Amino acid sequence: ETGVTQTPRHLVMGMTNKKSLKCEQHLGHNAMYWYKQSAKKPLELMFVYNFKEQTENNSVPSRFSPECPNSSHLFLHLHTLQPEDSALYLCASSPGQGAGELFFGEGSRLTVL
Amino acid sequence: ELKVEQNPLFLSMQEGKNYTIYCNYSTTSDRLYWYRQDPGKSLESLFVLLSNGAVKQEGRLMASLDTKARLSTLHITAAVHDLSATYFCAVGRNDYKLSFGAGTTVTVRA
Repeated sequence: ETGVTQTPRHLVMGMTNKKSLKCEQHLGHNAMYWYKQSAKKPLELMFVYNFKEQTENNSVPSRFSPECPNSSHLFLHLHTLQPEDSALYLCASSPGQGAGELFFGEGSRLTVL
Repeated sequence: ELKVEQNPLFLSMQEGKNYTIYCNYSTTSDRLYWYRQDPGKSLESLFVLLSNGAVKQEGRLMASLDTKARLSTLHITAAVHDLSATYFCAVGRNDYKLSFGAGTTVTVRA
């Protein structure tokens, strides 16, 4: 596989469920990002990791918990979400934080019931 | 806070005609990106503009940057159906945080 791969592509969960989104990049990049895309709103940066270290948490509620075990993998753990958290969650990577353009995955469409 | 405004938000194009999408931003930036997103798909990078007066062209799309006016334009020449998509501009500074516009949804009709 090439580029940035996200799984699952679609996820439906109840407010009490625990689930995780996974992102894997095959580009040899060192920085990885989570963005939230809601209908009719600009993309919102959630988290940034550079060389596995979290460098940005954009005031994201604690019900979203990121994990970056290595530079190629990024997870977003979800717990007790709200219906307003329903959105498309996009993972991206770049050669380094602040270096080069972002390459995006196809996103995980999350619906919270 | 860096704010990015795109207009129009929706654009209905007639095949064969020319159109322009505008991207204004609020503070000094050292990079501007244009992305395309098809429904249910990822964002695809179209152009990266790094300096005042930069102009890049790919097929029927041409992007330009005026850093003094804090304005970028995406010009579409002789629109075709394949160009139907949502186009985003994103503006960043040396701290890497990209701020995205709300997107322009383009529909090309015959």
